[in-house]
Amino acid sequence: QSVLTQPPSASGTPGQRVTISCSGSSSNIGSNYVYWYQQLPGTAPKLLIYRNNQRPSGVPDRFSGSKSGTSASLAISGLRSEDEADYYCAAWDDSLNGGVFGTGTKVTVL
Amino acid sequence: QVQLVQSGAEVKKPGASVKVSCKASGYTFTSYGISWVRQAPGQGLEWMGWISAYNGNTNYAQKLQGRVTMTTDTSTSTAYMELRSLRSDDTAVYYCARDKWELRNWGQGTLVTVSS
Repeated sequence: QSVLTQPPSASGTPGQRVTISCSGSSSNIGSNYVYWYQQLPGTAPKLLIYRNNQRPSGVPDRFSGSKSGTSASLAISGLRSEDEADYYCAAWDDSLNGGVFGTGTKVTVL
Repeated sequence: QVQLVQSGAEVKKPGASVKVSCKASGYTFTSYGISWVRQAPGQGLEWMGWISAYNGNTNYAQKLQGRVTMTTDTSTSTAYMELRSLRSDDTAVYYCARDKWELRNWGQGTLVTVSS
């Protein structure tokens, strides 16, 4: 089972700001970088945020990441219809000596 | 550009083994490792493990230890993931991705169905 906890769903109207939380522990988020992946229906995941708050080239600055202690969050500002997707946080876990993903959050644009 | 192309869908019986391939192009294969991630139908992502394409070192998820083997063939820039003693809950889409944890490039996924 996932060791990183996310809300199962989040929603907003076009233009709104949506925030997704990711709760972990000292062995994962508390001591390692957090990554965020976006998965559109029927496609492979896409790296959205790396090393807590960095965006790969091509990712709009509407997406931002932050981390505090053993929690992290992803914010999507100026929500657009194409942002409808599943979002996963991820971190390395020192206790497991392996990677862990969050439970996933489905974002719906109303 | 970086591309990871995976082998096609597989249907296996419980107890059998499956070997999925992932052919890389567009970069120096031995400069990065390959990770494997799977996703059961309607479920989230699960990290399976990682292999260094440079020296073959591996790091497997604890729950798969003993059932999974990851290998690479540097002559063809191809990575392989073999899963043995398949069970119904191994039914999933299996993805390869470049690097150990900062997964910027992904394969298209391979559906493995385990059914009697």
